[in-house]
Amino acid sequence: AQTVTQSQPEMSVQEAETVTLSCTYDTSESDYYLFWYKQPPSRQMILVIRQEAYKQQNATENRFSVNFQKAAKSFSLKISDSQLGDAAMYFCAYRTKYGGATNKLIFGTGTLLAVQP
Amino acid sequence: GAVVSQHPSRVICKSGTSVKIECRSLDFQATTMFWYRQFPKKSLMLMATSNEGSKATYEQGVEKDKFLINHASLTLSTLTVTSAHPEDSSFYICSARQELRSSYEQYFGPGTRLTVT
Repeated sequence: AQTVTQSQPEMSVQEAETVTLSCTYDTSESDYYLFWYKQPPSRQMILVIRQEAYKQQNATENRFSVNFQKAAKSFSLKISDSQLGDAAMYFCAYRTKYGGATNKLIFGTGTLLAVQP
Repeated sequence: GAVVSQHPSRVICKSGTSVKIECRSLDFQATTMFWYRQFPKKSLMLMATSNEGSKATYEQGVEKDKFLINHASLTLSTLTVTSAHPEDSSFYICSARQELRSSYEQYFGPGTRLTVT
């Protein structure tokens, strides 16, 4: 079974600085999706970034980028120029590509990010 | 992007009563919907997966007679907590999946906070 591990329960970053959140996963599959979700205090889950495993190029979305190391099964999230609005719980998630519409997201335990002004 | 709504956003009920939570996909048809439970500062725990017109698939340890899920249409799924008890107090999140060029994008509702007194 696939697992997702986030080893940093809490992180803190100064406004305008860069922070990297770690995520590792375990799978025997060769093709899959990886996600980072943000959950601010409102509790609304927001998709930050998505990576397809067969794509070697790291995904980027404005200030958010990932470092996808497939062999190491590592999928870290880098937030550049951190803003106060980035303060949230961040979840790493895995999803198989197989099994159709019912396949499940597997979440990590989350990293609570604080942004200091 | 696609919008998923949940109603109510907050509900307080007395022990022994039942409460229904609605999840709607507002601008797309969702063949699959997921129900999660989340405790404070914890990850999302998948309770069940529902497909339109068929019985829900419950995760291990989730009481199907207590958490009734109905997915009557492609835009509506309901979760009914029957004979609620204080230990059922939690944050419940639904998610709807849209088949989009086979990538099955998944969108989350804003959640429902249930308090059982």
